[in-house]
Amino acid sequence: SQQGEEDPQALSIQEGENATMNCSYKTSINNLQWYRQNSGRGLVHLILIRSNEREKHSGRLRVTLDTSKKSSSLLITASRAADTASYFCARLQGGSEKLVFGKGMKLTVNP
Amino acid sequence: EAGVAQSPRYKIIEKRQSVAFWCNPISGHATLYWYQQILGQGPKLLIQFQNNGVVDDSQLPKDRFSAERLKGVDSTLKIQPAKLEDSAVYLCASSLVGLNEKLFFGSGTQLSVL
Repeated sequence: SQQGEEDPQALSIQEGENATMNCSYKTSINNLQWYRQNSGRGLVHLILIRSNEREKHSGRLRVTLDTSKKSSSLLITASRAADTASYFCARLQGGSEKLVFGKGMKLTVNP
Repeated sequence: EAGVAQSPRYKIIEKRQSVAFWCNPISGHATLYWYQQILGQGPKLLIQFQNNGVVDDSQLPKDRFSAERLKGVDSTLKIQPAKLEDSAVYLCASSLVGLNEKLFFGSGTQLSVL
C-alpha cells in the first residue's frame, strides 16, 4: 500500500502567494522526491532530497526534510497560475528499491 | 533530448479483451518503470526493469498482466483479459542516475475498460 500522504489534499491560493505542501511517511527513507503533474500529462521531477540533507532549493522551490518527524515540506514562493497542478511526494524506502508515491495534492493558483 | 515515448495515448476496450501498451525510454536510460495511476490517486509501481532484467514486479497482477523489455530498450505492457478495475492511466518512466532517482515520465496511456 502507498505510505505517506500529502497535506493538505487541496489548496487554492492567489497568484503571488506562497504555497506549502507537507508529506508524511512511516518508514525510514533513502531519499524523498517531489513531482508535479499537470492535468492529463505525465509527472515531472522537481527536486530530490537525501536522508542526510535537511534543506534544498531550486529556483522558487524549497524543500525541507525532518527525518525525526518523518515529514517533508515543499514551499513554492511567489506562485504563478502555471503552478496549478497536482504535486506528489515519493519516498525511496530504506532497504527497498521501490519508489512509493503518495496520493497527491491539488494546487490551484488563481490569477 | 527526446522524452519518454508512449503509445497509444488513449485506448477504449470491452472487458475481457486484450490490450498492449508500448514505451520507448530516453536513450541510455537503464531503468524502466511501469506505473498504474487510478483517477485521484498517486502512481502505483507495477514493474521495474534494470536493462532487460526485472528488479521488482511484486505489485503486478501476473494472472492478467505481463511486461517485457527486449534488448533492454523499449518495453511492452499487456493486459489479458482486461477487467473494469483496470481503467487507469498507465505511465512509463525511465531513469539514468541510479535506481529510483529522478524519473522521467511519458504522457501515459489512458485506458478505459467498458
